[in-house]
Amino acid sequence: DTGVSQDPRHKITKRGQNVTFRCDPISEHNRLYWYRQTLGQGPEFLTYFQNEAQLEKSRLLSDRFSAERPKGSFSTLEIQRTEQGDSAMYLCAGEDGWRWNYGYTFGSGTRLTVV
Amino acid sequence: DQQVKQNSPSLSVQEGRISILNCDYTNSMFDYFLWYKKYPAEGPTFLISISSIKDKNEDGRFTVFLNKSAKHLSLHIVPSQPGDSAVYFCAARAYSGAGSYQLTFGKGTKLSVIP
Repeated sequence: DTGVSQDPRHKITKRGQNVTFRCDPISEHNRLYWYRQTLGQGPEFLTYFQNEAQLEKSRLLSDRFSAERPKGSFSTLEIQRTEQGDSAMYLCAGEDGWRWNYGYTFGSGTRLTVV
Repeated sequence: DQQVKQNSPSLSVQEGRISILNCDYTNSMFDYFLWYKKYPAEGPTFLISISSIKDKNEDGRFTVFLNKSAKHLSLHIVPSQPGDSAVYFCAARAYSGAGSYQLTFGKGTKLSVIP
């Protein structure tokens, strides 16, 4: 148990459909990150929340992507009108701002396949 | 441009011997470096870190060395065990200017420890 839960673990969707992923960090994680990992690559930053505020978004996050973290607890990442290029592992990570030298705590990820 | 590079996609080592994983970086603003370990179908797990003001950090069988002038770091695992077989990601931290310290990851090195 990493302390960060992601749901679902796998998602297969048809091109053009909308999908939503959920991330539940532990209560100490005031910082929350979304990363995307494609085959043969390392995780790439998508967006960052400090409590409920979304403070930064990568240029990788097109206008089809939206993320929320209501009340600074769980977070959702929605992809609208999915494209085959969206197929990837979507990773959520929590960070305790007082223990940043211990790195992020990643969830197990949601693997998205767009067919 | 790739700011964190892991030039060896894979490495095979005999059980009991030393494993050395290398990482190079280009951004002088990185102030902290971390190594993550990833098993298939799981998220990356934090392994060990080092501040840019140090040149060595040790934790059990794992030691990270930092050569700041060469912009190079390495992870040593001694002795290597079959359970160490995984993908290892090098990550570097820099302040993003929006209240977050973003991690930039390399592409990873797949370590195989042969019994």
